[in-house]
Amino acid sequence: GDSVTQMEGPVTLSEEAFLTINCTYTATGYPSLFWYVQYPGEGLQLLLKATKADDKGSNKGFEATYRKETTSFHLEKGSVQVSDSAVYFCALKRNSGGYQKVTFGIGTKLQVIP
Amino acid sequence: DTEVTQTPKHLVMGMTNKKSLKCEQHMGHRAMYWYKQKAKKPPELMFVYSYEKLSINESVPSRFSPECPNSSLLNLHLHALQPEDSALYLCASSRNRDPYEQYFGPGTRLTVT
Repeated sequence: GDSVTQMEGPVTLSEEAFLTINCTYTATGYPSLFWYVQYPGEGLQLLLKATKADDKGSNKGFEATYRKETTSFHLEKGSVQVSDSAVYFCALKRNSGGYQKVTFGIGTKLQVIP
Repeated sequence: DTEVTQTPKHLVMGMTNKKSLKCEQHMGHRAMYWYKQKAKKPPELMFVYSYEKLSINESVPSRFSPECPNSSLLNLHLHALQPEDSALYLCASSRNRDPYEQYFGPGTRLTVT
């Protein structure tokens, strides 16, 4: 079946540090890929997405590139802020039985310290 | 208004209780979802309603009973739950049954004693 693998964390960084959160996936066909963010006490928010190979999703300074050859969708940000502290979920969406099924990774907790 | 609201925020119930979780959206979305999220785990899909009809039940035990009274409301009725059902229950909605852009509510933190 489909699966998404990402580090659990926590990942602790100082403010203005470079962020990479790795995400790899296993799926048949051509899934769409997403990063969601969950701030403390809140629901999930879509951060960025990519629908085909070599697409780059970007939002709020975060970027991720859909790499089909390495089945990866790593999240990067050049300079993190304290307000970026949250849990980040990598996810894929694929057509399964006429329904678009979303599979989430385990989530990576990011802590940014001043 | 891009908000999905859920009530209550927290719920503690005994194994013999009957309670309900509520979810509401006013974005005109026609698909609504219930997810269960255990601590340090990703959300797991439970149910999908499309145009007020149940279209997906991910083999959820019958002690969880969903209801969609209208296109803006989604309920989850709980009865005879087990302690292992304690979790964060998330509601989400999307424009149609393709969950390309899902909007999530803040969740209800459920504790079963």
